[in-house]
Amino acid sequence: DVKVTQSSRYLVKRTGEKVFLECVQDMDHENMFWYRQDPGLGLRLIYFSYDVKMKEKGDIPEGYSVSREKKERFSLILESASTNQTSMYLCASSSLLAGVVYEQYFGPGTRLTVT
Amino acid sequence: AQKITQTQPGMFVQEKEAVTLDCTYDTSDQSYGLFWYKQPSSGEMIFLIYQGSYDEQNATEGRYSLNFQKARKSANLVISASQLGDSAMYFCAMREELAQGGSEKLVFGKGMKLTVNP
Repeated sequence: DVKVTQSSRYLVKRTGEKVFLECVQDMDHENMFWYRQDPGLGLRLIYFSYDVKMKEKGDIPEGYSVSREKKERFSLILESASTNQTSMYLCASSSLLAGVVYEQYFGPGTRLTVT
Repeated sequence: AQKITQTQPGMFVQEKEAVTLDCTYDTSDQSYGLFWYKQPSSGEMIFLIYQGSYDEQNATEGRYSLNFQKARKSANLVISASQLGDSAMYFCAMREELAQGGSEKLVFGKGMKLTVNP
């Protein structure tokens, strides 16, 4: 059974703290993604990675960075958390197999509150 | 740039009835893919159905079918025989292929909330 796990379901941090959100997938997928989800805005792509040590900016990368040292792990880093980064964060992964419908598999999400 | 529009913020349907969730898209690409995801209150995103732009037949997966009208750029999700467990947020998304390494990303609509009443 395919699985994407995220380190925390709920997280509360203070303004200015450095925050790490971890995501691990066990499907040997090449692609990994970080989204944030806010009411009325849907899911917005923060960063993605299509290979180890590779990263690409998504639509809203400001205030975030990522790290992918191993194929199965993709970390989202908030260098200095701010209240406007309070949100639900979703990690996803997908395969690069050509000719296959490669839907993205999502983790359970981390609801981050920055106070 | 691609865009996904889901205009219905919320819908109510009676149990056992069919319901259609609207999705329109905007793209200049010839090759693209459309997805529907379900998000229950627990938060996880569940893949429901996929339609490729070159697929001649509408996709079906159990009680889910996709009414794909390419000329109108619409990809509506039809749920037949609604169940109480279908109450959730539903997101339409389009696959955008990227130049880097043959990868892809999804562009999501804002979602809509379906409530199934007993």
